[in-house]
Amino acid sequence: GAVVSQHPSRVICKSGTSVKIECRSLDFQATTMFWYRQFPKKSLMLMATSNEGSKATYEQGVEKDKFLINHASLTLSTLTVTSAHPEDSSFYICSAPRMGLSNYEQYFGPGTRLTVT
Amino acid sequence: KNEVEQSPQNLTAQEGEFITINCSYSVGISALHWLQQHPGGGIVSLFMLSSGKKKHGRLIATINIQEKHSSLHITASHPRDSAVYICAVKGDTGTASKLTFGTGTRLQVTL
Repeated sequence: GAVVSQHPSRVICKSGTSVKIECRSLDFQATTMFWYRQFPKKSLMLMATSNEGSKATYEQGVEKDKFLINHASLTLSTLTVTSAHPEDSSFYICSAPRMGLSNYEQYFGPGTRLTVT
Repeated sequence: KNEVEQSPQNLTAQEGEFITINCSYSVGISALHWLQQHPGGGIVSLFMLSSGKKKHGRLIATINIQEKHSSLHITASHPRDSAVYICAVKGDTGTASKLTFGTGTRLQVTL
C-alpha cells in the first residue's frame, strides 16, 4: 500500500535554531501534502497545505515565516520550523492524498516529535 | 460547535466486548475517514467511506449520509485495540480538499 515517511522521527533542538522535517510519499506522487500539528491529548490541527511548484496555503493563525514549507518535488515536502522556541515543541504529522476508486484517500506519515529546549 | 463531533470521548472496555464509537458531522462531505492513532503517535487510516458499510477483520464502519452520522464498531475487542480513534471528514473530492477532524475517542481495552 501507499506509504508516507517522515524524517526525523524525533528531534531535540535548542531555542533559536531551525529544524527541517521531511515528508516523502514513497510509492506515489503527491502534488498536495498536508502538515498538521498535534498537542498532547488533542486532535490534529491543520497548519498548511503544501503545493508542488507553488506557495503553500496556510491556515488562519499559522505564521508562514515561522513555519516554512517547500514542496520541491512530487514526492517531497519539507517543513522548517525557524527560530524555534519551546512553545513550538509538538508532534508534527504530514499526510498525502492518493487517488482511490472514487476519491482521494489520505496517507499519514508516522510523525515527528519536536522538543525545543 | 465543532463540525465533527465524536462520542464518547473516553471509553474503557473489557477484552471481548463489542465497542461502538460514534461520529456526527454538520457539513456536506464527499468521504469520511476513520483513523487510529496508537500511543507512539503514528496514524493509520482504517476506513474511507462515502456510503454504506465497510468491514475489515474485526472492524466495521458504517455511514448514514442522510443523518450525517457514522459509527465504528470493534468486535471481540482486544488490548491491542487500545488507541485513539479519530473521525475525519472530507469536503469535496479534489486532491487539495482538506480533512476536518473530530476530537478523537480514547479507547482502553483491559484484560
